[in-house]
Amino acid sequence: KQEVTQIPAALSVPEGENLVLNCSFTDSAIYNLQWFRQDPGKGLTSLLLIQSSQREQTSGRLNASLDKSSGRSTLYIAASQPGDSATYLCAVTSGNTPLVFGKGTRLSVIA
Amino acid sequence: DAGITQSPRHKVTETGTPVTLRCHQTENHRYMYWYRQDPGHGLRLIHYSYGVKDTDKGEVSDGYSVSRSKTEDFLLTLESATSSQTSVYFCAISDYGSGNTIYFGEGSWLTVV
Repeated sequence: KQEVTQIPAALSVPEGENLVLNCSFTDSAIYNLQWFRQDPGKGLTSLLLIQSSQREQTSGRLNASLDKSSGRSTLYIAASQPGDSATYLCAVTSGNTPLVFGKGTRLSVIA
Repeated sequence: DAGITQSPRHKVTETGTPVTLRCHQTENHRYMYWYRQDPGHGLRLIHYSYGVKDTDKGEVSDGYSVSRSKTEDFLLTLESATSSQTSVYFCAISDYGSGNTIYFGEGSWLTVV
């Protein structure tokens, strides 16, 4: 059974810092990995999707990497801003199976 | 934003009563999902659908049933609500299953007293 772990559970950083969020999964036979953002009281918004054949994806200040063999992914946020404060979740799928989610990292960026 | 509407958004109900949550989409996506989100557990899949009348169980399906009679609607029913089903319920849709971007609704807050 696939299990997804996110470390740390919570993170507080001053504005302007670069930061890394970590995601690990137990079964490396994944089809893709996705990173999501969730604001309090809201649904999830997809940030980045990395196919299993890819090593990284970038969108603006966000960069996600994937090391399938070691079962790890990182989400790098450059020059963090207070508006980046949210919970970030990663999720994996093995193809036709629905996404399996980690419990998320709650990020606070302090002005 | 993807056209997903969940109703009701908030509901308080009594133990033992039936409850139905509705997810309506305007994107004509094939796949629809129901997740619940609880502190300490994260998001867990309840049921999903891969087409009209085609559904399958997820990780935490006990006590829940679903129906999909039209592409645009996916209903989640709690036959006899229990306090352990107090949660936030999210509907999600995708066009080609989990291999493509998945879009989430805003959530339905259910309290069972």
